[in-house]
Amino acid sequence: GAVVSQHPSWVICKSGTSVKIECRSLDFQATTMFWYRQFPKQSLMLMATSNEGSKATYEQGVEKDKFLINHASLTLSTLTVTSAHPEDSSFYICSASGLGSMTDTQYFGPGTRLTVL
Amino acid sequence: RKEVEQDPGPFNVPEGATVAFNCTYSNSASQSFFWYRQDCRKEPKLLMSVYSSGNEDGRFTAQLNRASQYISLLIRDSKLSDSATYLCVTYNNNDMRFGAGTRLTVKP
Repeated sequence: GAVVSQHPSWVICKSGTSVKIECRSLDFQATTMFWYRQFPKQSLMLMATSNEGSKATYEQGVEKDKFLINHASLTLSTLTVTSAHPEDSSFYICSASGLGSMTDTQYFGPGTRLTVL
Repeated sequence: RKEVEQDPGPFNVPEGATVAFNCTYSNSASQSFFWYRQDCRKEPKLLMSVYSSGNEDGRFTAQLNRASQYISLLIRDSKLSDSATYLCVTYNNNDMRFGAGTRLTVKP
């Protein structure tokens, strides 16, 4: 149980385009979803936390107008990188936590590797 | 100062060696602690939780010292498949903080 999927697993796009990444909890209801970014040889950095049905809370330094997060249902959250630039190239990972016994840990998706040309 | 600090390594050890990783954290309010393993270009995967009493899972032993805000991971009888980056993680009220990871390479 506790499977989280992400789509796409990798994407290459031109500078200036927008890219949407989906994160789904397949077998549990994710009340909270998290979006992380990881640059090569660095730690995962939390970008934002989203609770189903409410606006995401962004970490300091993360532009909410550039990284649009939607968490419209208990099984789906999306991250849209708007007007992507080469410096946005990174590994984006989502995680999800649920209710009851699932509140004290996060289950990670497999990640999406974004390359902006 | 980073919230979670780890020795980045790399640690290069022969098969069968014992290797220890250390981690310190700055947030004294942290409630839970974990070691995750991350393979190249993959998502982190939970290796084990860390308790004040210490816990062991096969060849892996984790220790937590709350007073010193220090966490350790010991790997005995290293296998080639243990090669990965090991992430020290603290957790407090749905807020998970990662160390930068310690890279381990086990060689034949």
